[in-house]
Amino acid sequence: RKEVEQDPGPFNVPEGATVAFNCTYSNSASQSFFWYRQDCRKEPKLLMSVYSSGNEDGRFTAQLNRASQYISLLIRDSKLSDSATYLCVVPDSGGGADGLTFGKGTHLIIQP
Amino acid sequence: NAGVMQNPRHLVRRRGQEARLRCSPMKGHSHVYWYRQLPEEGLKFMVYLQKENIIDESGMPKERFSAEFPKEGPSILRIQQVVRGDSAAYFCASSPRRTDQETQYFGPGTRLLVL
Repeated sequence: RKEVEQDPGPFNVPEGATVAFNCTYSNSASQSFFWYRQDCRKEPKLLMSVYSSGNEDGRFTAQLNRASQYISLLIRDSKLSDSATYLCVVPDSGGGADGLTFGKGTHLIIQP
Repeated sequence: NAGVMQNPRHLVRRRGQEARLRCSPMKGHSHVYWYRQLPEEGLKFMVYLQKENIIDESGMPKERFSAEFPKEGPSILRIQQVVRGDSAAYFCASSPRRTDQETQYFGPGTRLLVL
C-alpha cells in the first residue's frame, strides 16, 4: 500500500489565527483526496474532499499540488472547536485495492 | 437514516478468547471496510467486503483474523485466540460504491481490550 505522510504536530495555535498543514502522498495515480477530522476516541469524520485544484468550505481551504504530490489544509480564524487530529486520506487506486490510506494525522490544539 | 452502526462499542477479552465485532452499514450501502487503529497510530486498512464476497483482504493478518458480510445481517470481524497486541480500536466504514471518487462513512468503532 502507498504511503501518506503528515507532520504529527502538535500545532499549538492561538484562537483566531490561521494554520496550515501539509500532507505528501506517494501514489501518483490517486485521483481524489480527503481530509478527515478525528476527535479524541471518536471515529474519523469527513471534513473536505479535494478532487481537482482545490476546495473551499467556509474557513477551510484545501489545495492539491499534483506535481509535488502534496495536499494542504488551511484553517482561517481558528476556533477552540477546531482542536482535533486532522487526517490526510488517499484512496488506494489501481490493482483493485479499495481501502483508504490514512496519514497518522496532525494534532491541532487551539488555545484561548 | 441511521449511520454506520457498530457493536459492541467496548469489548474486553482475555488472551486466547475470541472476539466478534459487528458492523451494520448505512442503509443502501453494500460496500464495507474494516480498519484498525492501534494506540497513537493511524488507521490501517484491513479488509473490504461486498455482500457475501471478500474483495480485498490485503491488510488482514494472515492468521486468527477473518471477516464476512453475509447476505443477511451485519458484517462480522472475527479474531480468534486474541493476544494483547490485538488491543485497538476497530472501525468499520461503508460506502454506496467502490471507493474511487466516493468517500467512506465511519462507524463509532469497537474498542477491544485484551487482558
